[in-house]
Amino acid sequence: EAGVVQSPRYKIIEKKQPVAFWCNPISGHNTLYWYRQNLGQGPELLIRYENEEAVDDSQLPKDRFSAERLKGVDSTLKIQPAELGDSAVYLCASRQSGVYNEQFFGPGTRLTVL
Amino acid sequence: ELKVEQNPLFLSMQEGKNYTIYCNYSTTSDRLYWYRQDPGKSLESLFVLLSNGAVKQEGRLMASLDTKARLSTLHITAAVHDLSATYFCAVDLRPGNQFYFGTGTSLTVIP
Repeated sequence: EAGVVQSPRYKIIEKKQPVAFWCNPISGHNTLYWYRQNLGQGPELLIRYENEEAVDDSQLPKDRFSAERLKGVDSTLKIQPAELGDSAVYLCASRQSGVYNEQFFGPGTRLTVL
Repeated sequence: ELKVEQNPLFLSMQEGKNYTIYCNYSTTSDRLYWYRQDPGKSLESLFVLLSNGAVKQEGRLMASLDTKARLSTLHITAAVHDLSATYFCAVDLRPGNQFYFGTGTSLTVIP
């Protein structure tokens, strides 16, 4: 079974440029999460989707960040414009409702803003 | 706001030794997860603890959960170099299954 797929794996941009990250969750997983992980810290939730609906985006900086999950499968996270402080690893995770409710993580996109 | 604290933050131990990593959290939850992260890699699920008193073991790692004390432990037995990684606990707040991650424990096992 394929895991969570993310692309690109690495991205280097200059500040004020836009950037987008893509995530394809595990097949059949209805819930999708975007996390940001700063160096030396644990992941922090940005947004959670249940199918197509963003049900928790309270931690998403809405002035510059946006996300979508069309058709309830793939998701895109966008930053426009990027700031120096956005440098981090952006992780996508997915979950299938059940007893364990375990989240499975993708490899992440490492963003460097210069 | 839920706080999840791990200690120690950094752990250097010799091969063959035993040690315990602690995960304390500040609000009621009966679900806790442990993940491993290698440098530059994503998070790998290790254990799922779903109730008070739950104990899970895999190889040299054993995890337990005490929901009344709001405490989970990850015990390492006879450490080997391959266990070197960063270990995170994550507390699950329902509904919504929002994970709150601990600060992480960076483990280095010295041959």
